[in-house]
Amino acid sequence: GAVVSQHPSWVICKSGTSVKIECRSLDFQATTMFWYRQFPKQSLMLMATSNEGSKATYEQGVEKDKFLINHASLTLSTLTVTSAHPEDSSFYICSASTLYSDEQYFGPGTRLTVT
Amino acid sequence: RKEVEQDPGPFNVPEGATVAFNCTYSNSASQSFFWYRQDCRKEPKLLMSVYSSGNEDGRFTAQLNRASQYISLLIRDSKLSDSATYLCVVKEVTGGGNKLTFGTGTQLKVEL
Repeated sequence: GAVVSQHPSWVICKSGTSVKIECRSLDFQATTMFWYRQFPKQSLMLMATSNEGSKATYEQGVEKDKFLINHASLTLSTLTVTSAHPEDSSFYICSASTLYSDEQYFGPGTRLTVT
Repeated sequence: RKEVEQDPGPFNVPEGATVAFNCTYSNSASQSFFWYRQDCRKEPKLLMSVYSSGNEDGRFTAQLNRASQYISLLIRDSKLSDSATYLCVVKEVTGGGNKLTFGTGTQLKVEL
C-alpha cells in the first residue's frame, strides 16, 4: 500500500516552455502533498506544501508564480514549472501523507532538463 | 549553519565492515528523526525512525542524543547492496503542518 506515482519520469524541454509534473496517490487519499527539489549532490529542499482544496504554502525563496501547484483532488497534485530555464533543471520529487499518519510516501521523482 | 548537517563522504568500506554515520541538527524543537536511504537517481526511502532510547532493525542501529542534537546510524556486516546515500531527516511541526528537513546525505560505497 501507500504508492505514489509521478509522471513523467523525465522530461527534456526548451528554455521558455512550461512543464507540468503530476503526482498521484494510487491507493490512498492524500490530504497533504509536498513538492521537493534536489540538485546534484545536494539535499532535498522542500518547495511547497499543499492541502487538498486550498492554496499551496511555499517555502521562502520559492516563486509561487513560477512554480504553480494545484491539488484539486485527494489523489492528484500537479506542479507546473512555467517559463523554464536551464537553472530549473533538477530532480523534482513529490510526497504525500494522509490525515491519519504524518509519514510521507515519496514518488519516484521527475528529472527535468531544460536546454 | 545548515539545519541538518552530515559528512558527505564517500565512505568506502569492505564488505562485512561496520560503519557509522553521524548527523547534527540545529533546531532543538525538532520532534521526530529518521534515516532515509537514497539510491542514485531514485527517490528517498524510509530506512528507520530514530528514538531517544535507540532502536535496532537487523543490521542497522540508530541512536538519538537530544541534549547534543546528534543522531547516528550504525550498519553492521555491510553488504554490497548497502551502497547508497544515507539521509538524516528531521521533522518539525510548523504552521503549515509537518515539515521534513533533509541533510545532504552521506554516501556509502561497500566494496568486495
